[in-house]
Formats: sequence, C-alpha cells, structure tokens
Amino acid sequence: GESVGLHLPTLSVQEGDNSIINCAYSNSASDYFIWYKQESGKGPQFIIDIRSNMDKRQGQRVTVLLNKTVKHLSLQIAATQPGDSAVYFCADRGGAQKLVFGQGTRLTINP
Amino acid sequence: KAGVTQTPRYLIKTRGQQVTLSCSPISGHRSVSWYQQTPGQGLQFLFEYFSETQRNKGNFPGRFSGRQFSNSRSEMNVSTLELGDSALYLCASSLADWGEKLFFGSGTQLSVL
Repeated sequence: GESVGLHLPTLSVQEGDNSIINCAYSNSASDYFIWYKQESGKGPQFIIDIRSNMDKRQGQRVTVLLNKTVKHLSLQIAATQPGDSAVYFCADRGGAQKLVFGQGTRLTINP
Repeated sequence: KAGVTQTPRYLIKTRGQQVTLSCSPISGHRSVSWYQQTPGQGLQFLFEYFSETQRNKGNFPGRFSGRQFSNSRSEMNVSTLELGDSALYLCASSLADWGEKLFFGSGTQLSVL
C-alpha cells in the first residue's frame, strides 16, 4: 500500500560528523521522492528531490540516494552543524499523484 | 519573493464550531495543497487545487472542504469541529504539476476545546 516510513524516529550525531537518515517506501510505482526539514514552529522546508530514473543527487552538503530494488531512500548531510537540528521527512509520489510523507526522524546535534 | 503565507497563525475554537483558514501561495504558483499535521499521524494530505479546481483529495470526512480563487489564493473550511481536529494545518504551493517540490507555509495551529 501507500506508506513511507523512516527506520529511526531519532538520530543523534556529533557536530562535524556526517549524518545519514534513512527512509523505506512501499509503493513500487512511486516516481518522485523528496526530503524536507522541519524546525520547531515552522513549516517543512524543501531540501532536495530525486526522480526514479536517478539513483543519486547532490546538493549543498546534502546527498540523496535512491535504491529502487529495495525501495530505500537516504539523506546524507555532510559535516553536520547545529543548525541542522530538526525533524526530517521523506515523501514519495505514487499513483495518486500526491506526496505521501513518512513519520519523520528527529536529528539532534551534539556539541 | 514572498513565501507561502497562512493566516491566522493560531486559532482556538470549541467543538461544533466551524473554521476557515487562509493561504496565499508564492506568486506564480497555481497549485495549492493542504496537509494536516499531528504528532500521531504525521502529515496527512487533505486536498490539492489547481486553477480553481480540486484535482486530488485525501481520506478526510466531508466536514473538510476547500476552494481556490482566481488569484490562486486558497481557503479551507472545517465544519462541526471535533476535538480530534486539533492539529497544525499546512498549506503548500507548487510551480510544478502534480505533487512536486511543494513549498510550505508556517501553518495554522488549530486547537479545538
């Protein structure tokens, strides 16, 4: 069915380390995937997106990897900074042409 | 360029009342989507409008409705409020078609007492 889930609800990393946030999706028809960052009191903020015809896409300090074989999506954040503390959501677009969001992973940065 | 603007920021209502929330999309964006966010259910899709037409609808009761105006501004209405309607209601606009690259507003926090 249509569901997008994240492997871990919380993730704690040291400042300066790389962070990897994982997401599993179930809809094999999904053709578009996107990551959002949500800080307290704010709406989700676009980070990066990727289409199903790609397996990797890079942005500024972020990389999204897509493995369609195992229906897995990951967001890598390089050199994590205190400002990266937030809840991260993945979402996919399946046959219903709407974004379906996962439950989110709370990323905490330790000094 | 101004972002997505949602008003009001906070609302307190009582059960049985109705409420209207407003959303102004980013200039040039013709698609507006609405989501409900709760701690337990996460982000749930309500509906999407494009050029004043509802193109997509989520699994919410008929008490939830919306509309889009010719200037792309959108409103959503919830009638006969229930306690479970307490949530953050997020509006998002998109330049692309069909659920791509949504830009979200800060939301309206609705509390139903």
